[in-house]
Amino acid sequence: EVQLVESGGGLVQPGGSLRLSCAASGFTLSSYEMNWVRQAPGKGLEWVSFISGSGTTIYYADSVKGRFIISRDTAKNSLYLQMSSLRAEDTAVYYCARDIVETTRYFDYWGQGTQVTVSS
Amino acid sequence: QSALTQPASVSGSPGQSLTISCTGISSDVGNYNLVSWYQHHPGKAPKLMIYEGYKRPSGVSNRFSGSKSGNTASLTISGLQAEDEADYYCCSFGGSTTFLWVFGGGTKLTVL
Repeated sequence: EVQLVESGGGLVQPGGSLRLSCAASGFTLSSYEMNWVRQAPGKGLEWVSFISGSGTTIYYADSVKGRFIISRDTAKNSLYLQMSSLRAEDTAVYYCARDIVETTRYFDYWGQGTQVTVSS
Repeated sequence: QSALTQPASVSGSPGQSLTISCTGISSDVGNYNLVSWYQHHPGKAPKLMIYEGYKRPSGVSNRFSGSKSGNTASLTISGLQAEDEADYYCCSFGGSTTFLWVFGGGTKLTVL
């Protein structure tokens, strides 16, 4: 059974840093593209970052470029999001999502999310 | 940056059918085979309901269907049930010139 479990969220002051983790089970992370997606309070979903199965291709949303770093550890079968220079507008529930790339494209599995709150 | 537009809310009674629309610029919803729909119960993991515009993953009820008319993608839910009450998001991969996933603003479905 495919499972994605996020952790690492919490309360952090503006300008601070936080590292989110997404533990994958039921599949091998290196065989799939992965993403981070967030949902701010009262808002819709927003794509944050992508990493290819090989780990060689990475993309970021303009809103986080230069502040967030996506990575993975194949030995631990885990995905990470290192967040720095955090702002109030980064407050959100962060989800990891598996990306299926065929003739179409979609997220087939998501985690339950981890809450990040940026506040003084 | 492109955006997909959904109604903020829809409602219906048990047993009824309703449709949630998703409109966007031609490079997003126009590329229908990249449209997917997700159901999200607060506090839970979003769930894939429709992909490639109209296909249902294994395990998703056939009460859920996807379609397209012009530049609008739609999710139709027939035979509404109480457990269908959730937020629904359309999504498209709009990466023709840049890598970008785009979501609609979400539609709150209320079962009366």
